[in-house]
Amino acid sequence: AQTVTQSQPEMSVQEAETVTLSCTYDTSESDYYLFWYKQPPSRQMILVIRQEAYKQQNATENRFSVNFQKAAKSFSLKISDSQLGDAAMYFCAYKSGGGGADGLTFGKGTHLIIQP
Amino acid sequence: AAGVIQSPRHLIKEKRETATLKCYPIPRHDTVYWYQQGPGQDPQFLISFYEKMQSDKGSIPDRFSAQQFSDYHSELNMSSLELGDSALYFCASSLDEKTQYFGPGTRLLVL
Repeated sequence: AQTVTQSQPEMSVQEAETVTLSCTYDTSESDYYLFWYKQPPSRQMILVIRQEAYKQQNATENRFSVNFQKAAKSFSLKISDSQLGDAAMYFCAYKSGGGGADGLTFGKGTHLIIQP
Repeated sequence: AAGVIQSPRHLIKEKRETATLKCYPIPRHDTVYWYQQGPGQDPQFLISFYEKMQSDKGSIPDRFSAQQFSDYHSELNMSSLELGDSALYFCASSLDEKTQYFGPGTRLLVL
């Protein structure tokens, strides 16, 4: 079974600075997808970014980018120019590839605090 | 853009009662997933459906059942409710089985 580990229960960053959230995973599969979801106090789960394992290029979405190291099974999220609205719980998630409707396996989450 | 709709948004039940949660996926999405998130926990996958057939099964208790209907909406039926079933229940939908888009969740409180 796949596992996802987020070793930082909580991170704090000053507004406008850059922060990196860590995620590692364990799998024997070669085809899979990795995601970062954001859960603000409203508890809505919001997709931040997606990475396909077969793509070497790191995904980027505006101020959000990932550092995907397949051999090291590492998938970190970098948030640039942090804003107050970025304050939330961030979950790293894994999904098997192969075309099935497999469920996501989540890490325990990192609580991100933005200091004004 | 249209999002996943879940109803009800809040539900209070007594122990041993039953509950039915409904999920309406994003239009044209044919795959539905159910997750349970306890307080301070990460979401746990329960079950998924693709084209009205059960596709994958996670840690869903035997007291729970679910189905997907011809219009692709899905219902999660929960019987003999226990205090530990109090949680936020998410439905998510996808079109390409790669990316799942989550609904706002149903907060279930069992007293």
